[in-house]
Amino acid sequence: NAGVTQTPKFQVLKTGQSMTLQCAQDMNHEYMSWYRQDPGMGLRLIHYSVGAGITDQGEVPNGYNVSRSTTEDFPLRLLSAAPSQTSVYFCASGRGTGVQPQHFGDGTRLSIL
Amino acid sequence: QKEVEQDPGPLSVPEGAIVSLNCTYSNSAFQYFMWYRQYSRKGPELLMYTYSSGNKEDGRFTAQVDKSSKYISLFIRDSQPSDSATYLCAMSAFQAGGTSYGKLTFGQGTILTVHP
Repeated sequence: NAGVTQTPKFQVLKTGQSMTLQCAQDMNHEYMSWYRQDPGMGLRLIHYSVGAGITDQGEVPNGYNVSRSTTEDFPLRLLSAAPSQTSVYFCASGRGTGVQPQHFGDGTRLSIL
Repeated sequence: QKEVEQDPGPLSVPEGAIVSLNCTYSNSAFQYFMWYRQYSRKGPELLMYTYSSGNKEDGRFTAQVDKSSKYISLFIRDSQPSDSATYLCAMSAFQAGGTSYGKLTFGQGTILTVHP
């Protein structure tokens, strides 16, 4: 059981480039989400999904795009990378009912030059 | 003002000490309270979660929630060097349909070092 798998683990981009951060879970969880973690800011919610075909914005959605075509996968797209998007990105998943803990991946460390 | 405030520390204690970590919050809609532990270069892992005011114990860890004061705490007894990590409090509001949907609001995290 792999849990939540994020790829790549590290990435360096130039300003204006695009890329997709991958997230996959094998626990059949309905709920998936993306957070970014910056020094002194804790984790902040970017986008989330309550099931295949359903997504919504979190606290800091600007500059990011998501889609959820399957239960297992929830990719995060940066359309035109900016230095302000330098961060560590975490994907999480959990069951969508009741009080359910969220399981996190080990993150993607992204640097935008 | 942030919805959740957590003293970032860093906090350094000797092995065997009792550690107290705290968060305050301003949003009275928060109903679910969690503590995550994050080791360096790893994702957060859930330590404890609770729904109601009061205490919840799990081994050396005790989570305490006081909704009237909007204050939560995590106590670690007999702290060990392996407890050295960043501790994050997280909260979630009750959503329509009876689910929290896992939309978590985090504190800034407290860096804890337990030295032998």
